[in-house]
Parts: sequence; C-alpha cells; structure tokens
Amino acid sequence: GNSVTQMEGPVTLSEEAFLTINCTYTATGYPSLFWYVQYPGEGLQLLLKATKADDKGSNKGFEATYRKETTSFHLEKGSVQVSDSAVYFCALSETHNAGNMLTFGGGTRLMVKP
Amino acid sequence: EADIYQTPRYLVIGTGKKITLECSQTMGHDKMYWYQQDPGMELHLIHYSYGVNSTEKGDLSSESTVSRIRTEHFPLTLESARPSHTSQYLCASSAYRNTGELFFGEGSRLTVL
Repeated sequence: GNSVTQMEGPVTLSEEAFLTINCTYTATGYPSLFWYVQYPGEGLQLLLKATKADDKGSNKGFEATYRKETTSFHLEKGSVQVSDSAVYFCALSETHNAGNMLTFGGGTRLMVKP
Repeated sequence: EADIYQTPRYLVIGTGKKITLECSQTMGHDKMYWYQQDPGMELHLIHYSYGVNSTEKGDLSSESTVSRIRTEHFPLTLESARPSHTSQYLCASSAYRNTGELFFGEGSRLTVL
C-alpha cells in the first residue's frame, strides 16, 4: 500500500533560517505529490504540488522537487518568517477507479522565533 | 478562496448526547471527505463520498455516520458521544477527477465530557 513518512517535529528555527522538512513516500504506481499547510486554528490548504518525476512545485517561497530515484519530496525555504509557523503535511495521490485519494504523512510542526 | 464551511467550530457536550457536525461547500464538488485529526496532528480518513447517495468508510473505523442527500452537504452524526470521540474533525471536498487537491473547512473541535 501507499505511505508517506515525514521527519518528526517540532522543528524550531530562528527567523531567516533555512528550512528543510524531509518527506519520503512508498507508492505502487506514479503518484502526484503535495505539501499542505495548516495554520493555527485553521483547516489544511494546498501549498504546492508536483505531478511527475523531476517536477518542482513552488509557492510563497517554498519549493519541493519530485525525486523518483529517492522517492522523496522534501520541502525547502531559503528564509523562514514567523508567519510560516504552522503544521506541514506531505501527501501523495494515486488514481483509483473513482478518482484520486490522498495519503497524508504524520505532519511536521514548524515554529519560527523572531 | 475555498468555499467550504463547518459548524460548529467548537462543541463541548456530555457523554451520551447525539451530535451532528455540519459541512457545506459551494463549489459543486462531487467528492467530500471527513478526517479525524488527533492531538498528535495525524489525519485519519473516516468517511468519504463520491456524490449524492454515495458514502464509504475510510481507513479509520469510526462510530460516526454520514449522509449525502445533496451535493453541497455532508453532515457527520454521532448517535451517542463518548469521551473517546473528543477530537478535531475536518471536512474537505474535491472535484471528481482532480489531481489530489482537496479544499478543507476550518474544522470542528469536539470535546465530550
């Protein structure tokens, strides 16, 4: 079956530090990969996605590259801000007969200090 | 901007009470989902629906039930709440042949005393 493994948090950084959150996956086919973000007190929202190998998803200064050879989709940002404090979820989607279903990782909490 | 709404946002009730968590979306999405989010943040799919009159159980067994009488509405019901049901419940929707993008509501935080 499919699975997604994320690095455990919390990850605590100072403002303007470099961020990496590791994500690896196991899938039987060729999934699409996603990062979702959950700000305090809110639901999840899509941050970025990549649909095939070597694609790079990017949004709000965050980037992640779909690496088929290492089955990874690590999230990076060059300079984090306090407003980036949130929980980040890596996810994959494979097409089933009735459409795509998402498999989520366990989430990684990021805390950015001023 | 996603248009998916959950009510109530917070609910504190006593054991044995019946509760219904409401979820509505105005995007015309066919697929809808309920996730349970534990304090460790992990998300567990408990119910989903492909469209009107379609409901399926998710990966995590749940004592809750759902219905899908209208496309835009996907309520979740607990007939007799227990403290073990205390959790955050997140509703989501997606277009039928989407590429995995889900739109989430803000969640309903349920506390059963």
